[in-house]
Amino acid sequence: QAGLTQPPSVSKGLRQTATLTCTGNSNNVGNQGATWLQQHQGHPPRLLSYRNNNRPSGISERLSASRSGSTSSLTITGLQPEDEADYYCSAWDSSLTAWVFGGGTKLTVL
Amino acid sequence: EVQLVESGGGLVQPGGSLRLSCAASGFSFSNYWMHWVRQAPGKGLMWVAHIHSDGVTTSHADSVRGRFTISRDNAKNTLYVQMNSLRAEDTAVYYCVREEESFDLWGQGTLVTVSS
Repeated sequence: QAGLTQPPSVSKGLRQTATLTCTGNSNNVGNQGATWLQQHQGHPPRLLSYRNNNRPSGISERLSASRSGSTSSLTITGLQPEDEADYYCSAWDSSLTAWVFGGGTKLTVL
Repeated sequence: EVQLVESGGGLVQPGGSLRLSCAASGFSFSNYWMHWVRQAPGKGLMWVAHIHSDGVTTSHADSVRGRFTISRDNAKNTLYVQMNSLRAEDTAVYYCVREEESFDLWGQGTLVTVSS
C-alpha cells in the first residue's frame, strides 16, 4: 500500500526550530489530516499530535502541527537533546481503506 | 495502570504459524478500536490490521490479507492476531495499539523472527 512521504533526515542546532513534513494525497492527509508519532531508539512510538494539531496531555507546547492541502508539518521549537528521535506520520486512507505511514524522519539535534 | 502487554512472539520457520496476544488493562478495552502495527528491524512502521470495538468489523493490510487474522475477546480484555504462512519479510516487532482519536497507547512490542 502506498505510503506517505517524509524526508529521511533533518539536522538542526540546539534551541533552533525544526519543521518536519509529511506529504500524502486527498484520500489521506488531505482528507482527515495526519497523526504524528515520536520514537526513541529501543522504545515504542509515542503519540504527539492527531488530526493536525491536537496534542495529547503531557506533550510539550514546543510541538505543533499544521496542514496545507495534502502536506502536514510538525514544528518543534527550542530544540532540546531529547527531541533527537525518529518521527513518523500516519493517516487513514479512505481509498485504500487502510492506515498508511510515512517512512519516518530521523531528527538530529546538533 | 493503563497498559498493553504483547506476548507470543518468537522464532518460527517460513510457512509456519504463530498467534500473538495483547493483554489490556486499566481501561475499558471493549470501547476501543484496536490495531496491530509492525516494525521490521531498522525499518519504519507498517500498519497490519485493525478491529472495531464490537469485534466484527476488521481490516487487514494487503501484504497480510489472507494470511493474518485479527480478533479480540472483550471478556478477557485481549487482542489477538493469528499469523499463518509466515514469510521472512514478516520478521518484525509487532505492536498492539489502542485507537482513541489516533494511535494513543502502544505496547512494548513482541519480536517475531521468521527464519529457517
